[in-house]
Amino acid sequence: ETGVTQSPTHLIKTRGQQVTLRCSSQSGHNTVSWYQQALGQGPQFIFQYYREEENGRGNFPPRFSGLQFPNYSSELNVNALELDDSALYLCASSLMGQGAPYEQYFGPGTRLTVT
Amino acid sequence: GEDVEQSLFLSVREGDSSVINCTYTDSSSTYLYWYKQEPGAGLQLLTYIFSNMDMKQDQRLTVLLNKKDKHLSLRIADTQTGDSAIYFCAEIGSGGYQKVTFGTGTKLQVIP
Repeated sequence: ETGVTQSPTHLIKTRGQQVTLRCSSQSGHNTVSWYQQALGQGPQFIFQYYREEENGRGNFPPRFSGLQFPNYSSELNVNALELDDSALYLCASSLMGQGAPYEQYFGPGTRLTVT
Repeated sequence: GEDVEQSLFLSVREGDSSVINCTYTDSSSTYLYWYKQEPGAGLQLLTYIFSNMDMKQDQRLTVLLNKKDKHLSLRIADTQTGDSAIYFCAEIGSGGYQKVTFGTGTKLQVIP
């Protein structure tokens, strides 16, 4: 158990809708990263938040947005859902600023299906 | 950009050693990681190696890094059925934020 929780576990949405996924970081961690894992693929980096600010972004369009709250929990929002957004969404928490190594602890993921 | 490649599948007999290989392209990689993913679960960090090391041993796990060839391997000694999972190699570069790039994953099947 990593102490990182995500909700909901599964979600089914229709194309064009909006979705919000939630993540609760491990206690003491100040950084959260979100990844999209399509079936049979490795996780792809979406973005990272450090102390409530976006700290880096992968090759995802602006309709993917996020928030990090003062308690370091986080949300991933996806607008105008497309069929290709169907995937497992993983959040990972870590502690940045304390030196090496950089260890991310993953939650169990949210399985999003877009129909 | 960064790219991490792995073979898709490996099958071994219980008790044998497993070797999972990975190649990467980012010469500025600082840390390289091995993660394990069981069906329906998130990723579990198994071990990592700093880029200035050649080898790291952690119980049944041995990581070998050939920085010149950008080749990373994970050896699992005395492989057990509980080791059946997908194994991901990942690297982190020296950029201003901590972006981790994952490989496509190697599915390890352990035959009893």
